[in-house]
Amino acid sequence: QSVLTQPPSVSGAPGQRVTISCTGSSSNIGAGYDVHWYQQLPGTAPNLLIYVNTNRPSGVPDRFSGSKSGTSASLAITGLQAEDEADYYCQSYDSSLSGYVFGTGTKVTVL
Amino acid sequence: QVQLVQSGAEVKKPGASVKVSCKASGYSFTSYYMHWVRQAPGQGLEWMGIISPSGGTTNYAQKFQGRVTMTRDTSTSTVYMELSSLRSEDTAVYYCAREMAHCGGDCPGDVWGQGTTVTVSS
Repeated sequence: QSVLTQPPSVSGAPGQRVTISCTGSSSNIGAGYDVHWYQQLPGTAPNLLIYVNTNRPSGVPDRFSGSKSGTSASLAITGLQAEDEADYYCQSYDSSLSGYVFGTGTKVTVL
Repeated sequence: QVQLVQSGAEVKKPGASVKVSCKASGYSFTSYYMHWVRQAPGQGLEWMGIISPSGGTTNYAQKFQGRVTMTRDTSTSTVYMELSSLRSEDTAVYYCAREMAHCGGDCPGDVWGQGTTVTVSS
C-alpha cells in the first residue's frame, strides 16, 4: 500500500473551497523531499497540477494552490468548478524505499 | 510539440513478458529522465522506475526489481519497459512520463504518454 495517505473523497458545491491532505512520514515529506500534485480526469493520463510543493505549471489556473508543512502537504482548490471533478494524487520521494511514491488518491466531487 | 506516444494494447498469458515502448518527440531526448508508472483498474498510481536516456542508468522500485527492465534507443528516441513473469495483478495501464528539468527541487513528470493497457489473462 502507498506510504502517502490521502482522503478517499472530498466534495463541495460550485464556488466553494476544498482541500486535500497528503500525509507522509519522516522518510518522505518529513525528510524534506518535494511534493507534486496531479489531476487525473476519467480515462486520461495524469496531468501535472503543482510541482515542488507550491508551483503551478503554465496553464494551470491560480484556483489551485499547494502547501507543505512537516510530514504533510495539502492541495487547495478555490472557486470549485464542475470541470474540477477528477482524481487527485500527491507524489514525493521516499528514502527508505529509494524511489518515488504516490498518494492513495482523492476523488473530488462537485455537488 | 512535446509528445510521448506509447505502443498499443497487449494481452498476455500468465508467466509471459510484455515490452511497452514510449517514443519521444519535440525535445532533446537525452536531456530528460523518463519514469514509468502503472495504474491497475480502479486503483491508484504506482511508480515503477526511472531511466536516464543519455546513459541508460536505471532505478527500479523495490517491488519490481528482478522483473522489470527499462532500456532506451537513442537513435529512435524511444524508451522501453519490459515486465516479465506476468500475473493477473499486473493487469494495468502503463504510462511513461518525462521528468521535468530544472524545477528547483525533486522534479515531477510534466509530460505523459497516453498509456498502454496490458491485460494478463489465461
